[in-house]
Amino acid sequence: EAQVTQNPRYLITVTGKKLTVTCSQNMNHEYMSWYRQDPGLGLRQIYYSMNVEVTDKGDVPEGYKVSRKEKRNFPLILESPSPNQTSLYFCASSPHLAGAGKTQYFGPGTRLLVL
Amino acid sequence: GENVEQHPSTLSVQEGDSAVIKCTYSDSASNYFPWYKQELGKRPQLIIDIRSNVGEKKDQRIAVTLNKTAKHFSLHITETQPEDSAVYFCAATTDDRGSTLGRLYFGRGTQLTVWP
Repeated sequence: EAQVTQNPRYLITVTGKKLTVTCSQNMNHEYMSWYRQDPGLGLRQIYYSMNVEVTDKGDVPEGYKVSRKEKRNFPLILESPSPNQTSLYFCASSPHLAGAGKTQYFGPGTRLLVL
Repeated sequence: GENVEQHPSTLSVQEGDSAVIKCTYSDSASNYFPWYKQELGKRPQLIIDIRSNVGEKKDQRIAVTLNKTAKHFSLHITETQPEDSAVYFCAATTDDRGSTLGRLYFGRGTQLTVWP
């Protein structure tokens, strides 16, 4: 089954404790992206990747890191989480090198609470 | 960069009525405009999209219109049903080569409630 998976789905952590949210897709998509969703603010792009070893900043990259060592995986790293990073995070992938200009398939979301 | 504004933020309609959600964008280079539906507790899912070389696109009860000159696009849902209740997001991007390739800009969303 074609899908985008994220782990963990729910996470409670404390300020400053490094964490990684994994994202994996089995559709051989070139393009992958991370978004955060906050009430009243919609979806905001954190980072995206056009292909392996190619990543770039979105609207709100501060406090996040990403890597794209393999085509299928695009982990989101919070080196020192802070309470303002409490949010719902979505990973998405798309089958085309034309950036975000194709249908994006979203993962199920990761709800993060930073105390 | 691109700025996408979406209105209204909430919309309540009676079952069977039509619903219209409007978005404006600022970057004339944007040429792809998807709409996503997000049901409560679920992930966003694409429901319809339109490219800048097309003025209107329909898929059963939903349609999207685009006015490139005015830089606005709209989602129209006819004969609404309770299962249409969700948050709807518009978005804009470009699939041409350029500095913003890869960026997807979302509106803030519209909570649509359809009353039986």
